[in-house]
Formats: sequence, structure tokens, C-alpha cells
Amino acid sequence: AQSVTQLDSQVPVFEEAPVELRCNYSSSVSVYLFWYVQYPNQGLQLLLKYLSGSTLVKGINGFEAEFNKSQTSFHLRKPSVHISDTAEYFCAVSLGGSNYKLTFGKGTLLTVNP
Amino acid sequence: DTAVSQTPKYLVTQMGNDKSIKCEQNLGHDTMYWYKQDSKKFLKIMFSYNNKELIINETVPNRFSPKSPDKAHLNLHINSLELGDSAVYFCASSQGIGTGYSPLHFGNGTRLTVT
Repeated sequence: AQSVTQLDSQVPVFEEAPVELRCNYSSSVSVYLFWYVQYPNQGLQLLLKYLSGSTLVKGINGFEAEFNKSQTSFHLRKPSVHISDTAEYFCAVSLGGSNYKLTFGKGTLLTVNP
Repeated sequence: DTAVSQTPKYLVTQMGNDKSIKCEQNLGHDTMYWYKQDSKKFLKIMFSYNNKELIINETVPNRFSPKSPDKAHLNLHINSLELGDSAVYFCASSQGIGTGYSPLHFGNGTRLTVT
């Protein structure tokens, strides 16, 4: 079975600073990795995904993530955050790229302060 | 147009009552889901339907009964509500079986409070 660990429950940063949200996974087989974002009082939406190919994937709103198989990590980064990036970010892992087997991490609350 | 819509947005009820949450999607997807998000924001799948057929039932008490009258609708009925049922319930949809990955599209959630 796969599992996801988001190492930080909360990450406060100042506007225009860089940010990294950490995610580690465990699985005995190949996995597919995702980041979803949840803005206040809304449902989740897909930020980016890694299925195969280049280990550096770019998503919406200037976010990117790097898949590191040796470290079993999929950290999310943005070089300069805006106040509007304040949200809960969820890392997720799936066997075979199927939503049926999608496991979410516990989320990281990113708070961007002026 | 809202892609995945849930009603009601808020639901406050007493223990022992029966309540329903409705979900509709206009994306033409063939797969729909119910997720439960607890007070610590942990998100866990409850059910999944593909073409009106139950695909996933994740150790959910049988007080919870999903119903899918057609591909665009997936309702959730809860009997004999308990305090521990208080949570935010999200409906989601995707294009299920096929090549590539189809992202989940979530509704805005229904906040259920059981008193």
C-alpha cells in the first residue's frame, strides 16, 4: 500500500518570498504523484501531476515540483509567492494513475503574509 | 456554470436524524466520488461510482448509502446521524477508465454539523 507524508502542517511566508512544500511517499511499486490546492471554502483542484517523463513538472499559477525517486520525494516550489496563494496544499499518490487508488496527504497550510 | 455542484452547502442536524446531500456534475464525466474531510483536513475517499455502478466502498458504515440515478448525479444519504459524522463532504467527478489521467473536479463541499 502507498502512503504520503507532508512534513509541514503549516508554512508561513512573506509575499514575494520563495516557498517549498515538502512531500514524501512510500510505495513498493511505481507511483504517480499529484499536488492539489484547496482555497478557503472551496473544493480541491489539480495543481500539477507527475505520471512519467521529465522529473520536473510545471503546474498552474507558477508552481513546479520535482520527482526524486531515490529520495521518494515530490516537493512543491514557487520562486515568488503572492497573497492569493494562501491555501491548503495536498500531495497525493496513486498506483497506476487511477483516481480509484488516490491517497492524499494531510495537507500543508500555506499562509502568505504581506 | 458550476461544474460540480453540491447541495446544501451547510447542514446542521441532531443526532439520530436522516439527511441527504445531493451532487450534480455537468462535465460529462462518467465517474463520481464522495470524499470526507475531517476537522484536521484529512481527506478520505468513501465511495466511487463509474457509469452508475459502485466501484469503491471504503469501509464506510452502512448508515451511509450512495445513490446514482444517472451518470451526472451522485447523492449521499446518511441514516441515524452520529456526532462523528460531522465533517465536510466533497463530491467529485472525473473521466474514469481510459488512457491518461483525468483530474478530479471537486464541488465546494457540504459542511455537516451533528449536534
